Amino acid sequence: QSALAQPASVSGSPGQSITISCTGSSSDVGGYNYVSWYQQHPGRAPKLMIYDVTNRPSGVSNRFSGSKSGNTASLTISGLQAEDEADYYCGSYTSSSTWLFGGGTKLTVL
Amino acid sequence: QVQLVESGGGVVQPGGSLRLSCAASGFTFSAYGMHWVRQAPGKGLDWVAFIRYPGTNKYYSDSVKGRFTISRDNAKNTLYLQMNSLRPEDTAVYYCAKDVAEQWLADSWGQGALVIVSS
Repeated sequence: QSALAQPASVSGSPGQSITISCTGSSSDVGGYNYVSWYQQHPGRAPKLMIYDVTNRPSGVSNRFSGSKSGNTASLTISGLQAEDEADYYCGSYTSSSTWLFGGGTKLTVL
Repeated sequence: QVQLVESGGGVVQPGGSLRLSCAASGFTFSAYGMHWVRQAPGKGLDWVAFIRYPGTNKYYSDSVKGRFTISRDNAKNTLYLQMNSLRPEDTAVYYCAKDVAEQWLADSWGQGALVIVSS
């Protein structure tokens, strides 16, 4: 099964907002609300940022938000900060009872 | 706090076997599903396997099905990944990760164990 589609890179200036898309199909992103987002800094383990499409775990800044329309989920980061520079991955449950990740998006804070 | 510590990584020849362990603490291990997720050098996340909390239901990616086996010992608070018939493309950092209410997400991750398959 192919990875969910994410842009390879996005960038923004401090204080701006950016959105990262995650496109799948009706068999994964579009068919379930089990979409989650992970932040990964170089050499570190991933960190859960958003789960069940829109929910934020305790301790995650409210600058991070998630949404979904059809087969595409999105992660929006508002008020960009230098420490947001990292790789971001989406993940979704699939109709085959597997877990599928996106290819990852490198966020650069200019 | 939740702590997941992987061990057992190393260098193995193609066709060889390796068993990874993940020692869990800080939560009721027996009540949660657990995943193995890997990341090849410079590449993205790649889900490997999931085991439900009783250990009776197991799920695998197509790329490892028939070669890898996920298991758990709830009495020892430990997750395992038995990897057989290893291939160079299995070279990666392997993370164990804790699920939440079997919603196919991971709210806690270990630091990872590096597996290198090379002759």
